[in-house]
Parts: sequence; C-alpha cells; structure tokens
Amino acid sequence: QKEVEQDPGPLSVPEGAIVSLNCTYSNSAFQYFMWYRQYSRKGPELLMYTYSSGNKEDGRFTAQVDKSSKYISLFIRDSQPSDSATYLCAMTPSGGYQKVTFGTGTKLQVIP
Amino acid sequence: DARVTQTPRHKVTEMGQEVTMRCQPILGHNTVFWYRQTMMQGLELLAYFRNRAPLDDSGMPKDRFSAEMPDATLATLKIQPSEPRDSAVYFCASGLTGNTIYFGEGSWLTVV
Repeated sequence: QKEVEQDPGPLSVPEGAIVSLNCTYSNSAFQYFMWYRQYSRKGPELLMYTYSSGNKEDGRFTAQVDKSSKYISLFIRDSQPSDSATYLCAMTPSGGYQKVTFGTGTKLQVIP
Repeated sequence: DARVTQTPRHKVTEMGQEVTMRCQPILGHNTVFWYRQTMMQGLELLAYFRNRAPLDDSGMPKDRFSAEMPDATLATLKIQPSEPRDSAVYFCASGLTGNTIYFGEGSWLTVV
C-alpha cells in the first residue's frame, strides 16, 4: 500500500462547478501538505501549502487538512477551463527539503 | 523569469545505451532534486543535493543510475546501461531554504 493514495480520475466537470480533489495518507508523521498543479507536458507547480490541520484559502482554491482522518482536500470554486490539469497532493514530515511524498495525481477536465 | 532548465527535452535511445540528463537550477537555489514520473508510480524522488552535496539518493537504483553536481549551475543524472523500464519523465527541481520547489519541464525518456 502506498503512503499517499489519490484517485487518478479523470474527473470531468462543467465550467463553474465546485471541484473536490482528495488524498488519503497513512504516515501520521506528515505535517506539511501541498497541492501541485501540472499541465500537460509541463512540470508541476505549487498551488497551495498548509501546515497541520485546518483550512487555507487562496482565491478560488481552498485546501483542507484533517489529520485525525489522514485526509486532505483541495476545493476549486467556479472552475474554469484553464483549471484543466492534473492535481498532485504532496506531503512531508517537516518543513524544508526532507523527502516529499507525492500522490499519483488526479486529472481534471473542466468542460466549457 | 527564472526557471529550471532541463536538457534534453526528449530522448529516444536503445536499450544498453548511456543516457545523460542535465539540469540548470535557478540561480541562487541551493537544493536540487531529481524526480521520475510514471503513470503507475507517480512522482518518485531519485536523489537530492544541498549546496552540491548529495543528501539522499535512496530512491535511485545504484547499479545503473548516478547523479552529480559538478558545479552550482549544473546537475546531471546518468543511466548506464539504460533499460526499457527506465522510460519515464525525469524532472529536475530546485529550491532555496523554505517550502517551494520549482520544477523544470522534464526530460521525456523512451528506451526501446
């Protein structure tokens, strides 16, 4: 069993929908949680970064961490066709550059 | 616009051949990572360096892979001999003390 599990999708939604992307993990030592967005044939880029449990909002994006359930989520409000990409969750036990463990990514398509 | 630069972008080679991938990290970044991405495994950390010193290469098959940083502006990943199972996208990423890792656009390797 992988340390981080993520549904690969694909997930297709109409423009304007609320999107929910999720990851579960098994390592209780994870403290820092990240979401990366990866467009086709490009490298991943950091979207959101959170520490421990709670919510963090940035524009249309909200990251949510529930450490008790070992479950993290990324919500996208008012989804746009430009949000079509693969979203990878990532996590690490500590800040800085200790080993970061990535999920395999969920492919999202927003239909105009 | 600072970015991580990787070469080659695409490489097709025959089994048994040596493959060398190069990476120019963002100027001033002191940490450099090599990741491999496949559909099945997602992003896997192969090795990373801080201030040019290797910190962790436990994710790398030692018998055929090697990673070096000859200087602060160049990181290399070498596969010798290459095998079809090495076909993947290889990403270099760099960062400074903190939490953001910047990825290059990847080297797409196909071993036939």
